[in-house]
Amino acid sequence: DTGVSQDPRHKITKRGQNVTFRCDPISEHNRLYWYRQTLGQGPEFLTYFQNEAQLEKSRLLSDRFSAERPKGSFSTLEIQRTEQGDSAMYLCASSLGGQEPMNTEAFFGQGTRLTVV
Amino acid sequence: AQKVTQAQTEISVVEKEDVTLDCVYETRDTTYYLFWYKQPPSGELVFLIRRNSFDEQNEISGRYSWNFQKSTSSFNFTITASQVVDSAVYFCALSEVTPGTYKYIFGTGTRLKVLA
Repeated sequence: DTGVSQDPRHKITKRGQNVTFRCDPISEHNRLYWYRQTLGQGPEFLTYFQNEAQLEKSRLLSDRFSAERPKGSFSTLEIQRTEQGDSAMYLCASSLGGQEPMNTEAFFGQGTRLTVV
Repeated sequence: AQKVTQAQTEISVVEKEDVTLDCVYETRDTTYYLFWYKQPPSGELVFLIRRNSFDEQNEISGRYSWNFQKSTSSFNFTITASQVVDSAVYFCALSEVTPGTYKYIFGTGTRLKVLA
């Protein structure tokens, strides 16, 4: 397994267009996360899946954002009607959830850099 | 509320100097995890270490060491004999274990520049 992979690596889109990003987590990992990172900031949490269930969404995630993880494997993040403020690096991470309560480290993909022009 | 503070925005050191990166966290949970990640210029976040709230033993891994002190809510990271390859942004992160909430909260990062 080569780790978390994200596609595409770069995306330039015009304001108002829809974009979709894909994340393939490490195969045995049941937890999947989406984060957003802007220049000079730490990653900001967007949403989290345990298997196929979306268990938490940040208030940062407006109605224009939607994420899915069908069958608990890969995940997609869609942004509708993109705005210039959506320009950022979108990071996907996965981790292996164990017996409660515990948490393991998350492994991150290389990210998708979105530029909205 | 959960919060991670990395007060040092940028640190510059000369190669072979020791450097400590500070991390202060806030949480109401008694069980939580702390992490350090490295983000080199290539951009990918690289996991360095995980500690749980019940294990306050310091840890050393090669030139890296971590000092966890619950009394001051700090989890500091020291690089001994720094090298140019250590130049990166370093992030401290916190994860609580309230069931159903396993997100990681990151600090704003400390940019480390190691000069040859």
